[in-house]
Amino acid sequence: QVQLQESGPGLVKPSQTLSLTCTVSGGSISSGSYYWSWIRQPAGKGLEWIGRIYTSGSTNYNPSLKSRVTISVDTSKNQFSLKLSSVTAADTAVYYCARTVGFGEFFDYWGQGTLVTVSS
Amino acid sequence: QSALTQPASVSGSPGQSITISCTGTSSDVGSYNLVSWYQQHPGKAPKLMIYEGSKRPSGVSNRFSGSKSGNTASLTISGLQAEDEADYYCCSYAGSSTSDNYVFGTGTKVTVL
Repeated sequence: QVQLQESGPGLVKPSQTLSLTCTVSGGSISSGSYYWSWIRQPAGKGLEWIGRIYTSGSTNYNPSLKSRVTISVDTSKNQFSLKLSSVTAADTAVYYCARTVGFGEFFDYWGQGTLVTVSS
Repeated sequence: QSALTQPASVSGSPGQSITISCTGTSSDVGSYNLVSWYQQHPGKAPKLMIYEGSKRPSGVSNRFSGSKSGNTASLTISGLQAEDEADYYCCSYAGSSTSDNYVFGTGTKVTVL
């Protein structure tokens, strides 16, 4: 059973960079035709896809966030990471990492989510 | 890319059937049979209920079914149960020749009366 777990600071100051890591257990991050995505959800609002990475390092980002997002992968640690720069209060949200099934284009395993608050 | 449009709320009595619509455009829902549906209980992560429009993952009740017509996808819950009370989100692949993208729906709160 694949499990994902987000980790990182819960509080980030405005204009700084938000950094989160997702640790995958129960299987290798390199196996199968899977991408690894970040998705966020502001309190009381809907879901927003941020971006994804393949274990080759190939990335795709939401066009609305592309200029501020970097997703990277560390296969030796079975982890992938998110960096979101120049954050504002609008970036306050629960951030989820999720396994993305390629070709079918759906998210089959999710982390429990981590709340990141942007505030001085 | 705008969010897919879902009704804000849908309700039904136990045992009844309800349908949640998810309306997109010819650039997302209408272009691909790649709509997925997620159930989210308060404070929990979303759970995959339907993928590729109408397929159910192992372990998901056959009371959940999906379909699509044109730019609108639908999720039907039959034999409504108390445990089905949750928020539901659709999602469509919305890629192009130059980029990959996913767009989620606005979300629907299902209430079991």
